[in-house]
Amino acid sequence: KAGVTQTPRYLIKTRGQQVTLSCSPISGHRSVSWYQQTPGQGLQFLFEYFSETQRNKGNFPGRFSGRQFSNSRSEMNVSTLELGDSALYLCASRLAATLVDTQYFGPGTRLTVL
Amino acid sequence: AQSVTQPDIHITVSEGASLELRCNYSYGATPYLFWYVQSPGQGLQLLLKYFSGDTLVQGIKGVEAEFQRSQSSFNLRKPSVHWSDAAEYFCAVGAEYGNKLVFGAGTILRVKS
Repeated sequence: KAGVTQTPRYLIKTRGQQVTLSCSPISGHRSVSWYQQTPGQGLQFLFEYFSETQRNKGNFPGRFSGRQFSNSRSEMNVSTLELGDSALYLCASRLAATLVDTQYFGPGTRLTVL
Repeated sequence: AQSVTQPDIHITVSEGASLELRCNYSYGATPYLFWYVQSPGQGLQLLLKYFSGDTLVQGIKGVEAEFQRSQSSFNLRKPSVHWSDAAEYFCAVGAEYGNKLVFGAGTILRVKS
């Protein structure tokens, strides 16, 4: 079974631009979560989607948004990019939005904001 | 709020030596606990998890972890380290509200030959 895939793997943007990252979960998984990983703040939860509905949101500004499609694929969007948004963005999928279900992580998208 | 502390930012171990990575958590109820490993350029891979029951949990890659409620700890151990174990290790606690994971800062493991 294919793992979680994220596209693109690397991205370079300039301040003020917006960016969209994509995540395809493992087949059959209906929950997709997004995390931001930076050297200073570590791994921080952004949001989780389950059956096209946002179930929970982390403590990030409204510039960070996401959505999930009927096939469970998810996208996250960051508008008006800032230098501090440079990070590795990780997507994780699981069967349902419960802690007993193992989260499987993708390789991440490395975003660099210049 | 839940929190996880990994006191050691870096650990260096000789190949063949034993390993223990420390993790302390803060959580009011019985926690859901996890250990993940991240190799350079890779995503996170689950090593093991604890929800309830036997406090000694076996995982993949020859690791185990022991849940000690009295010490609020969930330390990861491996009897003999291989050079391929060099990576960053993350301990996480599951937050029941929102079902999200709260991660520690991570411990970078270096293996010297």
